[in-house]
Amino acid sequence: GAVVSQHPSRVICKSGTSVKIECRSLDFQATTMFWYRQFPKQSLMLMATSNEGSKATYEQGVEKDKFLINHASLTLSTLTVTSAHPEDSSFYICSAETSGQNEQFFGPGTRLTVL
Amino acid sequence: GDSVTQMEGPVTLSEEAFLTINCTYTATGYPSLFWYVQYPGEGLQLLLKATKADDKGSNKGFEATYRKETTSFHLEKGSVQVSDSAVYFCALSGWNDMRFGAGTRLTVKP
Repeated sequence: GAVVSQHPSRVICKSGTSVKIECRSLDFQATTMFWYRQFPKQSLMLMATSNEGSKATYEQGVEKDKFLINHASLTLSTLTVTSAHPEDSSFYICSAETSGQNEQFFGPGTRLTVL
Repeated sequence: GDSVTQMEGPVTLSEEAFLTINCTYTATGYPSLFWYVQYPGEGLQLLLKATKADDKGSNKGFEATYRKETTSFHLEKGSVQVSDSAVYFCALSGWNDMRFGAGTRLTVKP
């Protein structure tokens, strides 16, 4: 149990375009979902926390207008990278947790490459 | 704020050697502690966890003990294998988010 999926696993896009990444909890209801970004040779960086039905809470330094997060249901959160630039190329990982649980379940990650 | 400090890598060992990867943390309250592993080309996988002081998490021959007095959660394995080559992340989880260490790359040579 506790499976989180991400789609797509890899995406290549042109500079200036927008890319949407989906994060789904397959067998549980995720009241909270987290989006992370992993830079090469660095740890995961928390970008934002989203609770179902409410606006996401962004970490300091993360542009909310650039990284749009929607958590419309208890099983789906989306991250849209708007007007992507090469410096947005990274590995994006989501995680999900259900209410009252002090454990997060991670998705497999999405590799974004912006040309 | 909460943070995790992890031994920097890379670490290179011969097969069957003993492994220790140090991890210390600072946190308010009583977080849960985790070790995650990332194999090449794959996402993070939970390796083991401990939710309270003196708990020992173990899996696949790896173990780590939640030491509140030293705020540590060191990862150990008595005899590593080539297949253990991966990046290992120490992490803590409070009630609202998770903090990760920088990751330690382990390479095990035959």
